Amino acid sequence: DQQVKQNSPSLSVQEGRISILNCDYTNSMFDYFLWYKKYPAEGPTFLISISSIKDKNEDGRFTVFLNKSAKHLSLHIVPSQPGDSAVYFCAAGSGNTPLVFGKGTRLSVIA
Amino acid sequence: DAGVIQSPRHEVTEMGQEVTLRCKPISGHNSLFWYRQTMMRGLELLIYFNNNVPIDDSGMPEDRFSAKMPNASFSTLKIQPSEPRDSAVYFCASSLVGEAFFGQGTRLTVV
Repeated sequence: DQQVKQNSPSLSVQEGRISILNCDYTNSMFDYFLWYKKYPAEGPTFLISISSIKDKNEDGRFTVFLNKSAKHLSLHIVPSQPGDSAVYFCAAGSGNTPLVFGKGTRLSVIA
Repeated sequence: DAGVIQSPRHEVTEMGQEVTLRCKPISGHNSLFWYRQTMMRGLELLIYFNNNVPIDDSGMPEDRFSAKMPNASFSTLKIQPSEPRDSAVYFCASSLVGEAFFGQGTRLTVV
C-alpha cells in the first residue's frame, strides 16, 4: 500500500515552459513534504520542502504547492531548462520517522 | 564534509554469493537509512537506524538481508545468499532532522 504516489512515470516539457509534477499521499499524519531530484548514477539530492502548515513554498524557479484537504502536492518549475531533466521524487515525513518516497517521475525538458 | 559515502559503486556477483555493501554517514547525523531503488517499487526503505540502533527493519525483504551499524560512522548491508532479483541500486542516507542526505548508491547486479 503506497502512502506516497506519483502517478505519472514520465513528463516531457518544452524548454522555457512550465513543468508541473504531481504527488498524492494518503497518510494525514505527514507533517512535511520534500522533493528530491536524481540524475543518473547519482543519489537523490534535496530540492525543496514544505511544512504541512503552509500551502506554498518558493525557491527561485521552483515552487511547491500543498493542498492538505486533497492530500496533494505539486512541484512547479518555471521556466524549465534542459538541466532540469532528471527523475523527481516526492517524499513525506513526520517527526523523526524515515521519509516515504513515491516511485518518481522522469522529467525530460526538450530544447 | 564529503557527504554520505558508499562502497562499492558497482558490484557484479554470481547468484548464491555473499554481498556486502558499505556506508559512511555524514558526521554528526544520528539516523541512517538503507533504501533500494527499482523500476517497479521506486525508492523503498529497507531498514533504518537511530543512534546506531535498528529501529525498523520491516522493509527488509527476506532473512537473506541483514544490516548492522557497529558505530556512528559505519554501516553494512549484507545479502547472503544473493539472487538475481536482488539486482537494484542500493542507497544509504543519513539525517539529523528532516531532510535526508543520500550517498551515490551501489549498483548491484546478481547474475
